[in-house]
Amino acid sequence: GNSVTQMEGPVTLSEEAFLTINCTYTATGYPSLFWYVQYPGEGLQLLLKATKADDKGSNKGFEATYRKETTSFHLEKGSVQVSDSAVYFCALSEKPGGSYIPTFGRGTSLIVHP
Amino acid sequence: NAGVTQTPKFQVLKTGQSMTLQCAQDMNHNSMYWYRQDPGMGLRLIYYSASEGTTDKGEVPNGYNVSRLNKREFSLRLESAAPSQTSVYFCASSESTGGSGNTIYFGEGSWLTVV
Repeated sequence: GNSVTQMEGPVTLSEEAFLTINCTYTATGYPSLFWYVQYPGEGLQLLLKATKADDKGSNKGFEATYRKETTSFHLEKGSVQVSDSAVYFCALSEKPGGSYIPTFGRGTSLIVHP
Repeated sequence: NAGVTQTPKFQVLKTGQSMTLQCAQDMNHNSMYWYRQDPGMGLRLIYYSASEGTTDKGEVPNGYNVSRLNKREFSLRLESAAPSQTSVYFCASSESTGGSGNTIYFGEGSWLTVV
């Protein structure tokens, strides 16, 4: 079945550092890929997405490229801020049983220090 | 600008008690979902409703029931709560389950503790 594997957290960085959060996936076909972010005490919200191979999703300085050859969708940001501290979830959406139901990774906590 | 609204936000139950989590969305979405979030486990799908009048089991449906009351509302019921159901519950919605690129919109979560 479908699955998403994210790097273990927490990831702890100083402000302005470069961020990479790794995400790899297993799927039978051609899924769409997403990154969601969860700020403390809130629900998840979409950060970015890519719907086909080689697409790059971007938002708020974050970006991720859909790499079919390596089945990866790594999240990057060139210079993190304290306000980026949150839990980041990688997800895919495919249609194994007739409906596109997203599958989420376990989440990676990011802590950014001033 | 409400989006997905779920109630209650916090609840403490005794083992064996029952309760219903309510969820409503105002985005005219066809599909609705209930997830639970546990430390180290990420988000796991409990039940979903692809469209009004239909419901299907997700990854962890045991101990739960759902009702899609109308297009807007999707409730989750715990008939006999157990400590293993202590979790944060999220309701979510999307335009449909018919497109792989559909965004899921989440509520703010309901913190449930079963003692």
